[in-house]
Amino acid sequence: EIVLTQSPGTLSLSPGERATLSCGASQSVSGSYLAWYQHKPGQAPRLLIYDASSRATGIPDRFSGTGSGTDFTLTISRLEPEDFAVYYCQQYDSSPWTFGQGTKVEIK
Amino acid sequence: QVQLQQSGPGLVKPSQTLSVTCAISGDSVSSNSAAWNWIRQSPSRGLEWLGRTYYRSKWYRDYALSVKSRITINPDTSKNQFSLQLKSVTPEDTAVYYCARDQGLGPQPFDYWGQGTLITVSS
Repeated sequence: EIVLTQSPGTLSLSPGERATLSCGASQSVSGSYLAWYQHKPGQAPRLLIYDASSRATGIPDRFSGTGSGTDFTLTISRLEPEDFAVYYCQQYDSSPWTFGQGTKVEIK
Repeated sequence: QVQLQQSGPGLVKPSQTLSVTCAISGDSVSSNSAAWNWIRQSPSRGLEWLGRTYYRSKWYRDYALSVKSRITINPDTSKNQFSLQLKSVTPEDTAVYYCARDQGLGPQPFDYWGQGTLITVSS
């Protein structure tokens, strides 16, 4: 199965700053079938990015995704207060679909 | 707007069967272009996809190898819902269980999720 490794584990930033989150895959994710989710406590995870770089419906353009193969990045250009959460990457190229362990973006 | 509403007991005894249901609104469990998934999250295992069911002229089910011998996912077309059953549970099955949809005939992300159900396995 494809193992996804996210870094860093925790990102401490202030509102207005730029956040850069990384997701590395143990083998190439073909078709760039990689998604990013935002997860807040007590809520359902929210799809942000799919196919590595396409924003899901209703997602603000401060969220962007790049990458292909084994290296992927989620960037939040200017953090808003509601962006502090845990972010997960997920591949849907090869079953079983797998997730990274998450990056927590916390307020500095 | 698709909504997934989960229901299930919060506590299950070891060796018993865990059951969680996901009621669908805004889509159909029999849709020819959606799949209905179960995913769980625990501190030790993180987010783990468990399996899915979908209808493409007949019903299909795919299960993760880690739970394949213990899991059943069934659609209920009369109630427009689907269910997860996990038998012979142990404390390691303690987790928040989520249902989720993926849409499309090719590889797709999970675009709608249920609110999650915390299941604790304990005597």
